[in-house]
Amino acid sequence: EAGVAQSPRYKIIEKRQSVAFWCNPISGHATLYWYQQILGQGPKLLIQFQNNGVVDDSQLPKDRFSAERLKGVDSTLKIQPAKLEDSAVYLCASSYPNDRVNEQFFGPGTRLTVL
Amino acid sequence: GQQLNQSPQSMFIQEGEDVSMNCTSSSIFNTWLWYKQDPGEGPVLLIALYKAGELTSNGRLTAQFGITRKDSFLNISASIPSDVGIYFCAGFYYGQNFVFGPGTRLSVLP
Repeated sequence: EAGVAQSPRYKIIEKRQSVAFWCNPISGHATLYWYQQILGQGPKLLIQFQNNGVVDDSQLPKDRFSAERLKGVDSTLKIQPAKLEDSAVYLCASSYPNDRVNEQFFGPGTRLTVL
Repeated sequence: GQQLNQSPQSMFIQEGEDVSMNCTSSSIFNTWLWYKQDPGEGPVLLIALYKAGELTSNGRLTAQFGITRKDSFLNISASIPSDVGIYFCAGFYYGQNFVFGPGTRLSVLP
């Protein structure tokens, strides 16, 4: 079974530029998450989708971050304009809702450096 | 909001030694997950715990869901070099989302 795919793996941009990340979840996983992981910290949830609907985006800085999952499969996270403090690894995870809890499977992440 | 603390922050052990780490919170959780993250990779799920007092093993790894529901423990027996990495706990409470701890960085000396 293929895992969660993310691209690009690395991105370097200057502040005030725009950037987009792509994620393709594990086939059949209805729930998709985007996390931000700053160096030395644990992942922080940015947004959660259930199919193509947003379940939780309370920690998404909506003035500059946006995300979509139009067909309920793959997803894009965008930052516009980027700030220095956005330098981090952006992780995508997916899960298949079950009776217990959504055990999340992570992709390799996109490492963003903002100069 | 909910926060998790992990202890120790980092540890250096000799190959073959046993390892213990824990995760604590001031809030209760319904589920605890333990992940391992290698450099340049996403976290990989090691063990999931769903019930207070539950003890679950995965090979050399054993994790427990604390009775108070505010903590969890992970033990690694007979450590090997490939155990090196960062271990994260994550807590989940119904109606809310997962919260991750800051991680415990494990180094194994040959």
